[in-house]
Amino acid sequence: QKEVEQNSGPLSVPEGAIASLNCTYSDRGSQSFFWYRQYSGKSPELIMFIYSNGDKEDGRFTAQLNKASQYVSLLIRDSQPSDSATYLCAVWPSSGSARQLTFGSGTQLTVLP
Amino acid sequence: NAGVTQTPKFQVLKTGQSMTLQCAQDMNHNSMYWYRQDPGMGLRLIYYSASEGTTDKGEVPNGYNVSRLNKREFSLRLESAAPSQTSVYFCASSEARTLYEQYFGPGTRLTVT
Repeated sequence: QKEVEQNSGPLSVPEGAIASLNCTYSDRGSQSFFWYRQYSGKSPELIMFIYSNGDKEDGRFTAQLNKASQYVSLLIRDSQPSDSATYLCAVWPSSGSARQLTFGSGTQLTVLP
Repeated sequence: NAGVTQTPKFQVLKTGQSMTLQCAQDMNHNSMYWYRQDPGMGLRLIYYSASEGTTDKGEVPNGYNVSRLNKREFSLRLESAAPSQTSVYFCASSEARTLYEQYFGPGTRLTVT
């Protein structure tokens, strides 16, 4: 089992809809969770991070974390064609492990005009 | 500020040839990383350098060597390229206090025939 799992997609949503991207992780002690966005042919950039159970909102983006279920998600409200990209979930491991980010394989999102 | 720069952007090698990928950052970051990205595999860490003078293996170090030349520069060497090393290579850097907030270079697309 991969340490960080994401549905590869592609996920298509119409413009203005809510896009929901999901991620599960295997290290129960993981403390920190990140979402990177990667446009086609470009490099990843950090867009959200969350440490505590619950929701964290930043503009049209909401990150949700449920540590008991080992599940983290990213909601994009009022999706725009410019949100079309691959979204990478990344997890910072628990203390004692190699202290490096582990990335999921990414979910490709397409927002249709 | 250029951020993180990488050279070359594209490279084609024959099996058995060697080459060095160059990376430099101008953000005064202590930590630097080399990742490879393959379709469906996400980003996988090859090597990292927590600070000048130190390097450590990541998830997939076999077939690679690295040099942290100074605080700014971190190079990745393929001594004898193999087709399995065909990939997109990203260099990244981060502050010591926020290791998860990694800034990525534009990438090098390497093909080994």
